Amino acid sequence: DIVMTQSPDSLAVSLGERATISCKSTQSVLYNSNNMDYLAWYQQKPGQPPKLLIYWASTRQSGVPDRFSGSGSGTDFTLTISSLQAEDVAIYYCQQYYSSPFTFGPGTKVDIK
Amino acid sequence: QVQLQQSGPGLVKPSETLSLTCAVSGGSITNDYWNWIRQPPGKGLEWLGFFYYSGSNRYNPSLQSRITMSVDSARNQFSLRLSSVTAADAAVYYCARSSGGWHKFDFWGQGTLVTVSS
Repeated sequence: DIVMTQSPDSLAVSLGERATISCKSTQSVLYNSNNMDYLAWYQQKPGQPPKLLIYWASTRQSGVPDRFSGSGSGTDFTLTISSLQAEDVAIYYCQQYYSSPFTFGPGTKVDIK
Repeated sequence: QVQLQQSGPGLVKPSETLSLTCAVSGGSITNDYWNWIRQPPGKGLEWLGFFYYSGSNRYNPSLQSRITMSVDSARNQFSLRLSSVTAADAAVYYCARSSGGWHKFDFWGQGTLVTVSS
């Protein structure tokens, strides 16, 4: 199985400041035949299911604000919230869909400082 | 817009079978992949498996011997059965869609909290 790790476990950022979350996989999730990274990011607020934010490592899902961006390739990825808003308080998960079983990172909790 | 509505009991006795259903609206069960994902309280997410109408189910090997997914195409809904449950199976269970053979999950059910207790 591909193991996903995230850092930090939690972070507190002032409103309007940048939040950066790291995600690493134990093996590459880059599929060479199409040069795509099979990596997604989700946002989960209390009592709600996760919401897909980013897929293919850097493609925003429809309706997701452009302050959310994803980057990275291979085994190292980053989710950036460029200007944190109050409604961004949540837990963020990365997920690989390169190979089954599809696995998630342990999550990073984002709060307001 | 695809919508997923989950139903099923929130309490299951140890050693019995957990059964949940997910009704699909705004899309056809004969398209796409239909997944189950769970989240123990306060913990992370675990993909359990998917059902594909062609019959090419895939399950997480950690649950392979206990899990079954099926579909009722007439009702446009799919189901999860997990046998011989223990306290370790207590979680919020979600159904979710993936499409195109790429298993990122774009539509989710509301979640069902399942407690395992006698």
